[in-house]
Amino acid sequence: DGGITQSPKYLFRKEGQNVTLSCEQNLNHDAMYWYRQDPGQGLRLIYYSQIVNDFQKGDIAEGYSVSREKKESFPLTVTSAQKNPTAFYLCASSITRTGGIYGYTFGSGTRLTVV
Amino acid sequence: AQRVTQPEKLLSVFKGAPVELKCNYSYSGSPELFWYVQYSRQRLQLLLRHISRESIKGFTADLNKGETSFHLKKPFAQEEDSAMYYCARGGNTDKLIFGTGTRLQVFP
Repeated sequence: DGGITQSPKYLFRKEGQNVTLSCEQNLNHDAMYWYRQDPGQGLRLIYYSQIVNDFQKGDIAEGYSVSREKKESFPLTVTSAQKNPTAFYLCASSITRTGGIYGYTFGSGTRLTVV
Repeated sequence: AQRVTQPEKLLSVFKGAPVELKCNYSYSGSPELFWYVQYSRQRLQLLLRHISRESIKGFTADLNKGETSFHLKKPFAQEEDSAMYYCARGGNTDKLIFGTGTRLQVFP
């Protein structure tokens, strides 16, 4: 199923809790990305990483954190500081660091709901 | 600001009608442009890239640098084309910029 796996598919969080969304790829892609998808707002970039042990903030990084300890893995933590975390989260990867040239491969997404 | 604009949130057509989903971009360099599609309950997937100049599922898109547009077209829409479509712009950059998406509804 596609080479990039996100888990879990659905996640429920209580207010004040941190949660971590998993993203794993076996495509040997250098770059990985986290997007948030909200109705009417398209895809907004949270964080991205072009190489192991390095990552950059995207447009809406506040309240989120990431790590890139392995090439295959790019977990996203939604912290209690994120004011409106209920959303659909998409992970993507790109074959090279210049993902803008070759495009992305997407995971199937995680729907996070704060209860 | 570097952005991608998809002016229509929703486009509704009848089966067999022509379809054009609009996309305009702003970029000072040589853009790489993409159309992604998200069918119901499926992951976002690449539909086509302008550099490939190919037709996928009957869809084509031509880059018009003068109008900074990359509109997606299909001469005869099918019900299975109903989906969310995103235009995205890259270039010699490390990430894609996505539009806000257009939902295409094709009625029987």
